[in-house]
Amino acid sequence: EPEVTQTPSHQVTQMGQEVILRCVPISNHLYFYWYRQILGQKVEFLVSFYNNEISEKSEIFDDQFSVERPDGSNFTLKIRSTKLEDSAMYFCASSEGQRDYGYTFGSGTRLTVV
Amino acid sequence: LAKTTQPISMDSYEGQEVNITCSHNNIATNDYITWYQQFPSQGPRFIIQGYKTKVTNEVASLFIPADRKSSTLSLPRVSLSDTAVYYCLVVFSGSARQLTFGSGTQLTVLP
Repeated sequence: EPEVTQTPSHQVTQMGQEVILRCVPISNHLYFYWYRQILGQKVEFLVSFYNNEISEKSEIFDDQFSVERPDGSNFTLKIRSTKLEDSAMYFCASSEGQRDYGYTFGSGTRLTVV
Repeated sequence: LAKTTQPISMDSYEGQEVNITCSHNNIATNDYITWYQQFPSQGPRFIIQGYKTKVTNEVASLFIPADRKSSTLSLPRVSLSDTAVYYCLVVFSGSARQLTFGSGTQLTVLP
């Protein structure tokens, strides 16, 4: 079964540092997403990406966040200057297209900001 | 976005059938109903989706009455490994839009 792969599985960073979370979506999928889940809280939408541009973003996805699909296979989330409250599990997801609601999520990156 | 309401938690025993009901009173004509499963420290996993009546796959069944204001996820003969959080989501069919997760139902399967 095809998988969405995320690296690293766990990252610890100091407050104010930049981090890049990496994802390899399923190869024939066209839509890509980032979600996050703070410990004990709900899964929250951050951003969706299609045709090399952002389709939607939430209020959480402010100027500190950016996404990129640098080489046709990877999909990255960058946080420019991390804050303590950015500590969370970050999930990448992908889907085939508009008529497919079976999003496939990766196993996540646990980001810890100290 | 249609708001969903589902029980916070449920307990069951191995081998039993589990039914988790979700209400979505203000579901719109173009909305689909989708269920996801999440284990601790893992990403949500798609289980099943439907629009009306009954949908069945190798994992679960989804029952949706004619008024579509509720839906029931049915898990046949659960095992300990089915212990997880189950989310009911209403998804707009117009585009690949964001998924809005609620708090879900924590299902605990007991031996």
